[in-house]
Amino acid sequence: GAVVSQHPSWVICKSGTSVKIECRSLDFQATTMFWYRQFPKQSLMLMATSNEGSKATYEQGVEKDKFLINHASLTLSTLTVTSAHPEDSSFYICSARERQGGLTGANVLTFGAGSRLTVL
Amino acid sequence: AQKVTQAQTEISVVEKEDVTLDCVYETRDTTYYLFWYKQPPSGELVFLIRRNSFDEQNEISGRYSWNFQKSTSSFNFTITASQVVDSAVYFCALTGGAAGNKLTFGGGTRVLVKP
Repeated sequence: GAVVSQHPSWVICKSGTSVKIECRSLDFQATTMFWYRQFPKQSLMLMATSNEGSKATYEQGVEKDKFLINHASLTLSTLTVTSAHPEDSSFYICSARERQGGLTGANVLTFGAGSRLTVL
Repeated sequence: AQKVTQAQTEISVVEKEDVTLDCVYETRDTTYYLFWYKQPPSGELVFLIRRNSFDEQNEISGRYSWNFQKSTSSFNFTITASQVVDSAVYFCALTGGAAGNKLTFGGGTRVLVKP
């Protein structure tokens, strides 16, 4: 089945540094990838929609300059948390939709295992 | 705007008991899709089921079953004869219409199955 790999699975960084998280679709091409953020014991909140070859679409309230998203190829999207601060500490999860889904309508999204960011 | 409500934040049961998780949704779309995901302590999201708005058939998969009631905008999930490995957070989610594949998640229900 479809597999999405996220790397790193966890990262600890100092305040003020930038952190890059990768989301790769391993056995399929993903025209669209989604980035979610999850605080402890809370639900997943969509941050942005990443489309291959174009600019990401950010949800209201998400800072574009803070969370840089690049979707340079059909198998890779990256999320860079710039000048990270302790309040950016969270669990970040990506999901990917296949380029050509087998079913009409909403294809089943495949989620990565998530990346836990801790900013000291 | 779409909204998913999971009223139960946490449910604790003893192994072999049945547990039902409630999910109520709101949408103005006539075509939409409902999902259930499991998030074990390790964090990854595991897809359990997808249901489209035109298919109100209930479904059973092993110990899992789902009850989709369009009239009450509910998509409830039952785990029969629960096991310790079922301990996780379960999310109900919704997408449809102009939202494309943007999933709107409910708040999640934490299930704790005690031996």
